[in-house]
Amino acid sequence: DGGITQSPKYLFRKEGQNVTLSCEQNLNHDAMYWYRQDPGQGLRLIYYSQIVNDFQKGDIAEGYSVSREKKESFPLTVTSAQKNPTAFYLCASSTGITGNQPQHFGDGTRLSIL
Amino acid sequence: AQKVTQAQTEISVVEKEDVTLDCVYETRDTTYYLFWYKQPPSGELVFLIRRNSFDEQNEISGRYSWNFQKSTSSFNFTITASQVVDSAVYFCALSDLYNNNDMRFGAGTRLTVKP
Repeated sequence: DGGITQSPKYLFRKEGQNVTLSCEQNLNHDAMYWYRQDPGQGLRLIYYSQIVNDFQKGDIAEGYSVSREKKESFPLTVTSAQKNPTAFYLCASSTGITGNQPQHFGDGTRLSIL
Repeated sequence: AQKVTQAQTEISVVEKEDVTLDCVYETRDTTYYLFWYKQPPSGELVFLIRRNSFDEQNEISGRYSWNFQKSTSSFNFTITASQVVDSAVYFCALSDLYNNNDMRFGAGTRLTVKP
C-alpha cells in the first residue's frame, strides 16, 4: 500500500547528541514536510521541500536540519542546538504545493530526552 | 496573517450523541482552502475534507457533516450519532491558494466518546 513511513516510532536523545528521524514515502509526491507537535498545540512547520535537492525553513527551523537527496526520502536531524527537542514529530507529503493539495501524514516519531 | 482557532480544547460525549467541533479562521485572502484532519491515538493525521472558499455548500459524508459559513469565518464539523471509534484529536487547517507549505493548523479538539 502507498503511504508514508516514519521510523523509529520512539527515540531517545542524550545531551549533546544529534539524532535523525527517517521519513520515506512511496506516493510519488513531490512535496514533503516536517512538523513538530507539542501537547495542546497545533502542528508547527519545521522544514519543507518542494523538489529533490531543495528545501526551505519553516517557522521553527532552528536546531534542525534536513536533506532531500531522493524524492522518496526526507530525513530530519535534531541537533544538539535544539534545547527542547521533546515532542511528537510528523512527516507529511503532498502531490504539489498549491493550497488545495491535502497533506498526507505518517504516524509520527516521539522523541524524548534521556 | 492566517490563523485558525479551535476554542474547544476537549469535548466528552456519550455514544450516540451528536457533537459539533468549532473552527474559526482569519485570513485576508479571498481564495483559500480549509481542511479537517483526524488524529487517532496511533498518531497519524487522517485527511477528512477540503473546502475551497468559493464553495459554501454544506457537505455530508455518512455521519460526518461540515458547515462552512464565510460570513462568520467558521468551518464547523458535526458528528452525528457519535461512536467510540470517533475518539481522536481533530484539527482544522487553513491554506492559501498558492502555498500549502504555509498551512496553519488549529490547536486541535480532543473528542472522547464514552460507551
